[in-house]
Amino acid sequence: GESVGLHLPTLSVQEGDNSIINCAYSNSASDYFIWYKQESGKGPQFIIDIRSNMDKRQGQRVTVLLNKTVKHLSLQIAATQPGDSAVYFCAENNNAGNMLTFGGGTRLMVKP
Amino acid sequence: NAGVMQNPRHLVRRRGQEARLRCSPMKGHSHVYWYRQLPEEGLKFMVYLQKENIIDESGMPKERFSAEFPKEGPSILRIQQVVRGDSAAYFCASSSWTGGSVNTEAFFGQGTRLTVV
Repeated sequence: GESVGLHLPTLSVQEGDNSIINCAYSNSASDYFIWYKQESGKGPQFIIDIRSNMDKRQGQRVTVLLNKTVKHLSLQIAATQPGDSAVYFCAENNNAGNMLTFGGGTRLMVKP
Repeated sequence: NAGVMQNPRHLVRRRGQEARLRCSPMKGHSHVYWYRQLPEEGLKFMVYLQKENIIDESGMPKERFSAEFPKEGPSILRIQQVVRGDSAAYFCASSSWTGGSVNTEAFFGQGTRLTVV
């Protein structure tokens, strides 16, 4: 079936650098996307969301970009900090509203 | 997301026993979702419930698993006759319905880590 595709790579960045985490989705009917951060032993924590009628949305130190043409979603973290170290998941909602479909996650490691 | 309460945080069961996982949604939320997560993997949807109704259980195994969200009290995910393959983290999320759109963020609990020995 259709799913958000994100294998679990590890992204290692230096503290203070910018981080970019990518996600590919395959369900063209999806119209709502969320990035979650999950720290070890904890539940996913909402970071930022974007609807399909938008290309870009900014939060505090984070920016989400949506490219519907190639079905690609990215999360940019500015001035990455040690506290940003976690696994990041993208999730999509296909406007049926029933569930969020999650990708496999990316582990972000921030080196001091 | 601290408002979604799950208990117990850790649960150990022997093969063949029953596991009962509880989830209290955030105040004012009437939509509850259950997800399962294996180590180093993403979250897999299991079931979506509203008060007293199962809306979508397409991700839940047909046997041994059941879920409810009664009018009063928490949502319960019940696993009968547990097997080792049921060992995982089970997360509950809740959301509210906002008018004409159900596309709203879901807040997660801290999860219940089930270990079957």
